[in-house]
Amino acid sequence: GENVEQHPSTLSVQEGDSAVIKCTYSDSASNYFPWYKQELGKGPQLIIDIRSNVGEKKDQRIAVTLNKTAKHFSLHITETQPEDSAVYFCAATDGGSQGNLIFGKGTKLSVKP
Amino acid sequence: ETGVTQSPTHLIKTRGQQVTLRCSSQSGHNTVSWYQQALGQGPQFIFQYYREEENGRGNFPPRFSGLQFPNYSSELNVNALELDDSALYLCASSPRTGTNYGYTFGSGTRLTVV
Repeated sequence: GENVEQHPSTLSVQEGDSAVIKCTYSDSASNYFPWYKQELGKGPQLIIDIRSNVGEKKDQRIAVTLNKTAKHFSLHITETQPEDSAVYFCAATDGGSQGNLIFGKGTKLSVKP
Repeated sequence: ETGVTQSPTHLIKTRGQQVTLRCSSQSGHNTVSWYQQALGQGPQFIFQYYREEENGRGNFPPRFSGLQFPNYSSELNVNALELDDSALYLCASSPRTGTNYGYTFGSGTRLTVV
Protein backbone atom coordinates (compact mmCIF):
# COMPACT_ATOMS: atom_id res chain seq x y z
CA GLY A 1 0.00 0.00 0.00
CA GLU A 2 0.86 3.67 -0.16
CA ASN A 3 3.44 5.07 2.25
CA VAL A 4 4.13 8.79 2.71
CA GLU A 5 7.30 10.07 4.33
CA GLN A 6 7.52 13.70 5.45
CA HIS A 7 10.58 15.80 6.44
CA PRO A 8 11.54 17.60 8.55
CA SER A 9 9.46 16.80 11.62
CA THR A 10 10.14 20.27 13.06
CA LEU A 11 11.11 23.49 11.33
CA SER A 12 11.90 26.85 12.89
CA VAL A 13 12.31 29.98 10.74
CA GLN A 14 12.48 33.73 11.25
CA GLU A 15 9.55 35.82 10.15
CA GLY A 16 9.98 36.75 6.50
CA ASP A 17 12.11 33.72 5.65
CA SER A 18 10.95 30.85 3.44
CA ALA A 19 10.00 27.39 4.64
CA VAL A 20 10.16 24.16 2.65
CA ILE A 21 8.61 20.83 3.63
CA LYS A 22 9.26 17.70 1.59
CA CYS A 23 7.32 14.47 1.14
CA THR A 24 7.89 11.24 -0.74
CA TYR A 25 5.31 8.64 -1.69
CA SER A 26 5.57 5.02 -2.78
CA ASP A 27 2.51 4.24 -4.95
CA SER A 28 2.91 5.38 -8.54
CA ALA A 29 -0.90 5.18 -8.92
CA SER A 30 -1.37 8.09 -6.50
CA ASN A 31 -2.71 11.08 -8.40
CA TYR A 32 -3.80 13.68 -5.85
CA PHE A 33 -1.52 15.38 -3.32
CA PRO A 34 -3.07 17.82 -0.81
CA TRP A 35 -1.40 19.77 1.95
CA TYR A 36 -3.18 20.47 5.22
CA LYS A 37 -2.51 22.94 8.03
CA GLN A 38 -3.60 21.94 11.51
CA GLU A 39 -3.72 24.43 14.34
CA LEU A 40 -3.99 23.40 17.97
CA GLY A 41 -7.41 22.00 18.80
CA LYS A 42 -8.64 22.14 15.22
CA GLY A 43 -9.06 19.75 12.33
CA PRO A 44 -6.78 19.81 9.28
CA GLN A 45 -7.50 22.63 6.85
CA LEU A 46 -6.71 22.22 3.16
CA ILE A 47 -4.27 24.93 2.08
CA ILE A 48 -3.23 23.78 -1.40
CA ASP A 49 -3.35 20.65 -3.53
CA ILE A 50 -1.87 19.37 -6.76
CA ARG A 51 -2.84 16.66 -9.20
CA SER A 52 -0.50 14.34 -11.04
CA ASN A 53 -0.92 16.08 -14.39
CA VAL A 54 0.55 19.31 -13.02
CA GLY A 55 4.14 19.99 -11.94
CA GLU A 56 3.65 23.15 -9.91
CA LYS A 57 0.85 25.20 -8.39
CA LYS A 58 0.97 28.52 -6.58
CA ASP A 59 -1.49 30.40 -4.39
CA GLN A 60 -0.15 33.72 -3.08
CA ARG A 61 2.66 32.85 -0.62
CA ILE A 62 2.18 29.11 -0.91
CA ALA A 63 3.40 26.83 -3.70
CA VAL A 64 3.57 23.11 -4.22
CA THR A 65 5.81 21.21 -6.64
CA LEU A 66 5.44 17.62 -7.78
CA ASN A 67 8.07 15.33 -9.32
CA LYS A 68 6.23 12.19 -10.42
CA THR A 69 9.37 10.44 -11.62
CA ALA A 70 11.07 10.79 -8.26
CA LYS A 71 7.77 10.41 -6.37
CA HIS A 72 8.23 13.46 -4.25
CA PHE A 73 6.38 16.70 -3.68
CA SER A 74 7.17 19.79 -1.66
CA LEU A 75 5.42 22.71 0.03
CA HIS A 76 7.02 26.13 -0.20
CA ILE A 77 5.91 29.02 2.00
CA THR A 78 7.49 32.41 1.27
CA GLU A 79 7.54 35.52 3.48
CA THR A 80 6.50 33.50 6.51
CA GLN A 81 4.40 35.14 9.21
CA PRO A 82 3.83 34.13 12.87
CA GLU A 83 0.30 33.00 11.96
CA ASP A 84 1.84 30.39 9.65
CA SER A 85 2.97 28.54 12.80
CA ALA A 86 1.12 25.20 12.87
CA VAL A 87 1.55 21.53 12.00
CA TYR A 88 1.55 20.84 8.27
CA PHE A 89 0.64 17.47 6.77
CA CYS A 90 1.19 16.20 3.27
CA ALA A 91 -1.01 13.43 1.92
CA ALA A 92 -1.40 11.26 -1.15
CA THR A 93 -4.29 9.20 -2.42
CA ASP A 94 -3.93 5.48 -1.82
CA GLY A 95 -4.23 4.54 -5.49
CA GLY A 96 -7.74 3.16 -5.10
CA SER A 97 -10.87 4.52 -6.73
CA GLN A 98 -12.24 6.06 -3.53
CA GLY A 99 -9.54 8.68 -3.23
CA ASN A 100 -8.67 7.85 0.37
CA LEU A 101 -5.77 9.81 1.79
CA ILE A 102 -2.55 8.53 3.32
CA PHE A 103 -0.90 11.19 5.47
CA GLY A 104 2.67 11.95 6.42
CA LYS A 105 3.54 12.33 10.09
CA GLY A 106 3.52 16.10 9.99
CA THR A 107 5.92 19.02 10.28
CA LYS A 108 5.66 21.45 13.17
CA LEU A 109 6.49 24.87 11.75
CA SER A 110 7.43 27.67 14.14
CA VAL A 111 7.80 31.19 12.77
CA LYS A 112 9.65 33.48 15.19
CA PRO A 113 8.83 37.20 15.09
CA GLU B 1 -22.49 27.06 3.59
CA THR B 2 -21.89 25.09 6.79
CA GLY B 3 -18.74 23.05 7.18
CA VAL B 4 -18.28 19.61 8.72
CA THR B 5 -19.53 19.44 12.29
CA GLN B 6 -18.68 16.73 14.79
CA SER B 7 -20.07 15.85 18.20
CA PRO B 8 -19.19 15.57 20.95
CA THR B 9 -15.95 17.58 21.02
CA HIS B 10 -14.52 15.62 23.95
CA LEU B 11 -15.36 12.27 25.48
CA ILE B 12 -13.95 10.10 28.26
CA LYS B 13 -14.78 6.39 28.28
CA THR B 14 -13.67 3.36 30.27
CA ARG B 15 -11.85 0.44 28.68
CA GLY B 16 -14.34 -2.15 27.40
CA GLN B 17 -17.14 0.37 26.84
CA GLN B 18 -18.70 1.34 23.51
CA VAL B 19 -18.77 4.81 21.97
CA THR B 20 -20.65 6.54 19.15
CA LEU B 21 -19.28 9.64 17.43
CA ARG B 22 -21.34 11.77 15.07
CA CYS B 23 -20.62 13.82 11.97
CA SER B 24 -22.67 16.12 9.78
CA SER B 25 -21.16 16.51 6.34
CA GLN B 26 -20.73 19.82 4.55
CA SER B 27 -23.75 20.90 2.53
CA GLY B 28 -23.73 19.20 -0.87
CA HIS B 29 -21.23 16.52 0.17
CA ASN B 30 -22.40 12.90 -0.07
CA THR B 31 -19.19 11.10 0.90
CA VAL B 32 -17.91 10.84 4.46
CA SER B 33 -14.59 9.42 5.62
CA TRP B 34 -13.36 8.83 9.16
CA TYR B 35 -9.78 9.17 10.33
CA GLN B 36 -8.01 8.43 13.60
CA GLN B 37 -5.23 10.81 14.66
CA ALA B 38 -3.03 9.69 17.53
CA LEU B 39 -1.08 12.36 19.39
CA GLY B 40 1.84 13.63 17.30
CA GLN B 41 0.86 11.56 14.24
CA GLY B 42 -0.86 12.13 10.94
CA PRO B 43 -4.48 11.05 10.47
CA GLN B 44 -5.02 7.36 9.61
CA PHE B 45 -7.87 6.31 7.33
CA ILE B 46 -10.53 4.18 9.07
CA PHE B 47 -13.28 3.90 6.42
CA GLN B 48 -15.39 5.78 3.91
CA TYR B 49 -19.16 5.87 3.45
CA TYR B 50 -20.87 6.63 0.17
CA ARG B 51 -24.58 6.18 -0.57
CA GLU B 52 -25.05 4.72 2.92
CA GLU B 53 -22.60 1.86 2.28
CA GLU B 54 -19.03 1.31 3.42
CA ASN B 55 -16.87 2.15 0.42
CA GLY B 56 -13.34 1.32 1.47
CA ARG B 57 -11.67 0.50 4.77
CA GLY B 58 -8.25 1.00 6.27
CA ASN B 59 -6.36 -1.32 8.59
CA PHE B 60 -8.79 -1.20 11.52
CA PRO B 61 -10.49 -4.14 13.26
CA PRO B 62 -14.23 -4.92 12.89
CA ARG B 63 -15.00 -3.36 16.29
CA PHE B 64 -14.75 -0.07 14.37
CA SER B 65 -18.00 0.27 12.45
CA GLY B 66 -20.03 3.04 10.93
CA LEU B 67 -23.26 4.20 9.43
CA GLN B 68 -24.31 6.81 6.92
CA PHE B 69 -27.83 8.21 6.88
CA PRO B 70 -29.96 9.44 3.96
CA ASN B 71 -29.02 13.06 4.80
CA TYR B 72 -25.34 11.99 4.43
CA SER B 73 -24.54 12.42 8.11
CA SER B 74 -22.53 9.60 9.63
CA GLU B 75 -21.69 7.79 12.84
CA LEU B 76 -18.53 6.02 13.95
CA ASN B 77 -19.01 3.27 16.51
CA VAL B 78 -16.21 1.64 18.45
CA ASN B 79 -16.90 -1.42 20.60
CA ALA B 80 -14.78 -2.93 23.38
CA LEU B 81 -12.69 0.21 23.76
CA GLU B 82 -8.98 -0.20 24.35
CA LEU B 83 -6.53 2.29 25.82
CA ASP B 84 -4.86 2.65 22.39
CA ASP B 85 -8.15 3.92 20.95
CA SER B 86 -7.46 7.23 22.70
CA ALA B 87 -7.08 9.69 19.84
CA LEU B 88 -8.64 12.53 17.89
CA TYR B 89 -11.30 11.16 15.54
CA LEU B 90 -11.76 13.24 12.43
CA CYS B 91 -14.62 13.21 9.98
CA ALA B 92 -14.04 14.47 6.45
CA SER B 93 -16.61 15.02 3.72
CA SER B 94 -16.28 15.28 -0.04
CA PRO B 95 -18.71 16.18 -2.86
CA ARG B 96 -18.29 12.69 -4.38
CA THR B 97 -16.23 9.58 -3.86
CA GLY B 98 -13.13 9.26 -5.99
CA THR B 99 -9.87 11.02 -6.53
CA ASN B 100 -11.20 14.11 -8.26
CA TYR B 101 -12.48 15.78 -5.11
CA GLY B 102 -10.83 17.18 -2.03
CA TYR B 103 -11.89 16.62 1.56
CA THR B 104 -13.14 19.06 4.18
CA PHE B 105 -12.35 18.05 7.74
CA GLY B 106 -14.25 18.71 10.93
CA SER B 107 -12.57 19.75 14.17
CA GLY B 108 -12.73 16.24 15.54
CA THR B 109 -13.79 14.40 18.67
CA ARG B 110 -11.09 13.91 21.29
CA LEU B 111 -11.66 10.43 22.80
CA THR B 112 -9.84 9.43 25.97
CA VAL B 113 -10.07 5.82 27.13
CA VAL B 114 -9.13 5.22 30.77
